Amino acid sequence: SQQGEEDPQALSIQEGENATMNCSYKTSINNLQWYRQNSGRGLVHLILIRSNEREKHSGRLRVTLDTSKKSSSLLITASRAADTASYFCATDPSGYSTLTFGKGTMLLVSP
Amino acid sequence: NAGVTQTPKFQVLKTGQSMTLQCAQDMNHNSMYWYRQDPGMGLRLIYYSASEGTTDKGEVPNGYNVSRLNKREFSLRLESAAPSQTSVYFCASSGFLPTSTDTQYFGPGTRLTVL
Repeated sequence: SQQGEEDPQALSIQEGENATMNCSYKTSINNLQWYRQNSGRGLVHLILIRSNEREKHSGRLRVTLDTSKKSSSLLITASRAADTASYFCATDPSGYSTLTFGKGTMLLVSP
Repeated sequence: NAGVTQTPKFQVLKTGQSMTLQCAQDMNHNSMYWYRQDPGMGLRLIYYSASEGTTDKGEVPNGYNVSRLNKREFSLRLESAAPSQTSVYFCASSGFLPTSTDTQYFGPGTRLTVL
């Protein structure tokens, strides 16, 4: 069963625009990670945010975490065509078990 | 540094045939994983190995077996393939822990079709 659920399922934007994806989860977590998957490839880790952190930045990526709402968001600023990919959030429901991945948001950035 | 490698890249089987998917990592990681990815289903954990010599079931272990041959290698075996096992299979590894404390590194995947 899925712990994290991404929203929206698909997102289409123009280059230069910002893209925001959301992840909701059901039980308390230790940390939350975001991964990217280019078509036909394996997943690549983007960023990890700990349960005691509210916001984290990495280059054009900004991740927020709201543990009271059990949700996280991933913002990609000034999107590029190369950002076209699927984005997954991953959590470990109890902090002592394995990662559970959501179904992903498919992002299409058009030139 | 090749990271995580998987063989083969593509495979077509007939129902009832068996095969082994191979995975190796050169990052000296303790934990290794096998996932399957189906359209609209995200990644689902089949089996994992938190350290050399141990293996544990994930969310969808039925129809699969695994072997942690040594610290580097973790194989996935389908004893009698079924069409429901048509999927893309990913191997991953992480340094120490299977939990979200640790980043996972993924291989390029194996596309398996069972006819």
